[in-house]
Amino acid sequence: DSGVTQTPKHLITATGQRVTLRCSPRSGDLSVYWYQQSLDQGLQFLIQYYNGEERAKGNILERFSAQQFPDLHSELNLSSLELGDSALYFCASTGQGNNEQFFGPGTRLTVL
Amino acid sequence: DQQVKQNSPSLSVQEGRISILNCDYTNSMFDYFLWYKKYPAEGPTFLISISSIKDKNEDGRFTVFLNKSAKHLSLHIVPSQPGDSAVYFCAAIPMKTSYDKVIFGPGTSLSVIP
Repeated sequence: DSGVTQTPKHLITATGQRVTLRCSPRSGDLSVYWYQQSLDQGLQFLIQYYNGEERAKGNILERFSAQQFPDLHSELNLSSLELGDSALYFCASTGQGNNEQFFGPGTRLTVL
Repeated sequence: DQQVKQNSPSLSVQEGRISILNCDYTNSMFDYFLWYKKYPAEGPTFLISISSIKDKNEDGRFTVFLNKSAKHLSLHIVPSQPGDSAVYFCAAIPMKTSYDKVIFGPGTSLSVIP
């Protein structure tokens, strides 16, 4: 158990819909990272938050947004969903030393 | 354009033998490399890393070798155990950056046969 939790585990929705994925980092970790893993591909970095503020942006679509709340949990919002958004979405957290990332179990999103 | 490649999608090895997982990269700015292991229904977990100033790093049964001139690294698992069956991701980070710039390979699925 990495200490990072993600909900829900699975999500099935239709094209055009909007969903919210939730991540709780390890206790005390200030940084949260979101990744997307599409079929047979490596994890693609989407966005990073540090202590409530956006720190870095990767290949994140404009239809996607995220935030980190005062209690340090983070949410990834995906809107106007398309079939190609079907993927595993992972979040990870790091501590202040930034030495190692700890990943959550992921949310599997299926867009029909 | 994949900057980190793992050309073997899968690998089968007999228990007790050596498993060798390979990774190639194209960006010479990468200077920190990591291997992650992922079991089904779990997130990746960090396994071992190597900085570009080294050519070998060892941790128990796991050794990572880095050949900078060939832009190639490999993970050796000796001896392989059934519990090592998982997907292994190679990842690379460019110099003077951090995890927001990490590039992952597509993964190699290792099966260790008892």
